Amino acid sequence: GEDVEQSLFLSVREGDSSVINCTYTDSSSTYLYWYKQEPGAGLQLLTYIFSNMDMKQDQRLTVLLNKKDKHLSLRIADTQTGDSAIYFCAESPAYGQNFVFGPGTRLSVLP
Amino acid sequence: NAGVTQTPKFRVLKTGQSMTLLCAQDMNHEYMYWYRQDPGMGLRLIHYSVGEGTTAKGEVPDGYNVSRLKKQNFLLGLESAAPSQTSVYFCASNLGQGRSYEQYFGPGTRLTVT
Repeated sequence: GEDVEQSLFLSVREGDSSVINCTYTDSSSTYLYWYKQEPGAGLQLLTYIFSNMDMKQDQRLTVLLNKKDKHLSLRIADTQTGDSAIYFCAESPAYGQNFVFGPGTRLSVLP
Repeated sequence: NAGVTQTPKFRVLKTGQSMTLLCAQDMNHEYMYWYRQDPGMGLRLIHYSVGEGTTAKGEVPDGYNVSRLKKQNFLLGLESAAPSQTSVYFCASNLGQGRSYEQYFGPGTRLTVT
């Protein structure tokens, strides 16, 4: 079945860039997503990318997609303490019946 | 516009008890989902629905039942709770029709089964 993998932890210093990586197995994925979860809260969609794109930039966030290697990354520029959270990578086909989520990467931002 | 709401927010059950979790959305979404979140395992899909009156099994459906009698509501039932069902449960919805990227999550229900 489909699988999405991420490293579980990442620590960065405030002001540095964070790069969170994800690999997936389903070559038919149409959308790839990054969600953010703050403590005690639900998931918030940060950004998504269509599988026919290589890159998407949205303010401090840059998403890179290497479809050949099935690798997705999320770069957060100028990381702030408010960025401390769990970040989930996910993928779905076009009609979204079946989202597959990675285990989440816990980002800790050190002062 | 409340988005996706879940009731209750917290619940403690004894083994063998039953309960129903309610998810409601006011965005006229077609697709609704129930996930469970366990430490280090991300979200796993329990059941989902692609429209009123329809339901389908996800990755981990055993021990759960669902119903979608009204478009705006998606109910998750536990007929005989087990400690393995201790988890945080999230509901989500989206428009479907190729617009799955606009998926909204509820705040979660934390369930403990003793």
